[in-house]
Amino acid sequence: LAKTTQPISMDSYEGQEVNITCSHNNIATNDYITWYQQFPSQGPRFIIQGYKTKVTNEVASLFIPADRKSSTLSLPRVSLSDTAVYYCLVGDSNSGGYQKVTFGTGTKLQVIP
Amino acid sequence: EPEVTQTPSHQVTQMGQEVILRCVPISNHLYFYWYRQILGQKVEFLVSFYNNEISEKSEIFDDQFSVERPDGSNFTLKIRSTKLEDSAMYFCASSPLGQGMRNQPQHFGDGTRLSIL
Repeated sequence: LAKTTQPISMDSYEGQEVNITCSHNNIATNDYITWYQQFPSQGPRFIIQGYKTKVTNEVASLFIPADRKSSTLSLPRVSLSDTAVYYCLVGDSNSGGYQKVTFGTGTKLQVIP
Repeated sequence: EPEVTQTPSHQVTQMGQEVILRCVPISNHLYFYWYRQILGQKVEFLVSFYNNEISEKSEIFDDQFSVERPDGSNFTLKIRSTKLEDSAMYFCASSPLGQGMRNQPQHFGDGTRLSIL
């Protein structure tokens, strides 16, 4: 089964760059790694997705090393509205007969004024 | 922007009763999913549904659970005989046809909070 590990929480000042890493082993070879943002009492919201190396969109960058055993979400200049929980999502390479995806343990980001 | 809608927002049910959670996915999406999130824990995958059949499921999705797309717009999750440990937030999600459920963004609803008494 895929195991994922993320820091439980992080604090950052407004305007700073924030990097959140997810460690993941036993992930499916052909699957993308996806990151989601979740605010209280809401469903997760898609941020970014990638397979290898670096991907950038209008809100974030995603760095994935060649071994794909981790991924790092980078938020360039955080604001108070970025205070949320951030999850990685990976596919399981071998789930004992079940096929599934696994969310990371989640990182609660607190942005400080 | 189109969104996934879920009803009800909060469902309270006696243990042992059947419950049906409802979702309206985004209209042109073809993959549908259910997840659950126990209070204070991470989101857990339950099941994916494509072309009117279950595509993938996790070990959580046992015989107590079933999914259905009864018409062209709704997607439902039924729990046959609820247990206390079924208390959680249940999220529905959908995605357009693409490279499989792991390789395309999923659009989530804001969930139904299920409380089992």
